[in-house]
Amino acid sequence: GAVVSQHPSWVICKSGTSVKIECRSLDFQATTMFWYRQFPKQSLMLMATSNEGSKATYEQGVEKDKFLINHASLTLSTLTVTSAHPEDSSFYICSARRQGGYGYTFGSGTRLTVV
Amino acid sequence: QQPVQSPQAVILREGEDAVINCSSSKALYSVHWYRQKHGEAPVFLMILLKGGEQKGHDKISASFNEKKQQSSLYLTASQLSYSGTYFCGTEIGGGADGLTFGKGTHLIIQP
Repeated sequence: GAVVSQHPSWVICKSGTSVKIECRSLDFQATTMFWYRQFPKQSLMLMATSNEGSKATYEQGVEKDKFLINHASLTLSTLTVTSAHPEDSSFYICSARRQGGYGYTFGSGTRLTVV
Repeated sequence: QQPVQSPQAVILREGEDAVINCSSSKALYSVHWYRQKHGEAPVFLMILLKGGEQKGHDKISASFNEKKQQSSLYLTASQLSYSGTYFCGTEIGGGADGLTFGKGTHLIIQP
């Protein structure tokens, strides 16, 4: 149980375009989902907390106008990287925790390359 | 605040044991341990909760010293499949606010 699906697994886009990443909880409802970013050989850094039906909460230093988060249902959160630039190239991972469960389940991640 | 992990890297021969440490300057509600292989998402290994409860794998154990805010992950009789980067993630509050990860410990198991 507690499966999180993330799509796409990789994407290459041109500089200046926008990219949407989806994160779905398949067998449980997630009122809260989390988005992380991981640069090569570095740790995972929490970017934002996605809340169903309300605005996302962003960590300090993360531009909310650049990284748009929408949590429209109890099973789906999306992250849109707007006007992407090469420095946004990274591994983006979402996670969620089943209510009453232990540990956070992570999606498979999305490798974004901006050229 | 980011927890501190040590060592940064470990090289072992198959069958040897390893200990990975994680410490925080803040009072923790829980410590989570994950293993990540190159290019993949982190995989949950163990959670240690304030008060002593633990949930995790059969072949991996861990401890949590609440007085020192330190956790250790014990890998015994290591297997080749144990290779990867180990991260500890910490929670300050119990309200599922996401995890703050350490910088990771890179573990290489050689045959």
